[in-house]
Amino acid sequence: NAGVTQTPKFRILKIGQSMTLQCTQDMNHNYMYWYRQDPGMGLKLIYYSVGAGITDKGEVPNGYNVSRSTTEDFPLRLELAAPSQTSVYFCASSYSSGQGPYEQFFGPGTRLTVL
Amino acid sequence: AQTVTQSQPEMSVQEAETVTLSCTYDTSESDYYLFWYKQPPSRQMILVIRQEAYKQQNATENRFSVNFQKAAKSFSLKISDSQLGDAAMYFCAYSHYPGSARQLTFGSGTQLTVLP
Repeated sequence: NAGVTQTPKFRILKIGQSMTLQCTQDMNHNYMYWYRQDPGMGLKLIYYSVGAGITDKGEVPNGYNVSRSTTEDFPLRLELAAPSQTSVYFCASSYSSGQGPYEQFFGPGTRLTVL
Repeated sequence: AQTVTQSQPEMSVQEAETVTLSCTYDTSESDYYLFWYKQPPSRQMILVIRQEAYKQQNATENRFSVNFQKAAKSFSLKISDSQLGDAAMYFCAYSHYPGSARQLTFGSGTQLTVLP
């Protein structure tokens, strides 16, 4: 099991450029999430998905878009990059069936700089 | 909306000693989960310990234990016999259940330094 993988690990964008952050999990999890972590801060939820074809906004969705066409993949799209989107982006996934404080499994993160 | 507050941006502890990291949260829900995650310099988020709000017994995982005070909305992490490998940023997190996708709300973190 590779767990949650993210590509790329690092990226520098110019203002106004667009890019897609890739996220894939091989644990057959229904729930997937995108968070961003600004320097010295905790993670904030951008978007989440409870299954293929279903997505919803989190706390800080502006400037981002997501899609979920398969259980495994949950890409995050940045349109018209701005310096305020400089951050580390984490993708995560978790179990969805039954009760329980199921652990979220995190990818290694993507460090994005917008200049 | 739920909020999670970690009032100690930085803490330090001598190797082999005990340290307690504080966390308070605000919620109007009765069913929820609380977590402590560790983030070493590698940036990888690692689950340390979890607690269900309906359980009165405090969770324990080896050298890590929590003091869960539901009425006070407090959820502190105690690390016993601290080791150099415990040095990391520690995040307290909240997740509401049921009726949600169990997304996490994080505190701002506590940077723990372990002194040899």
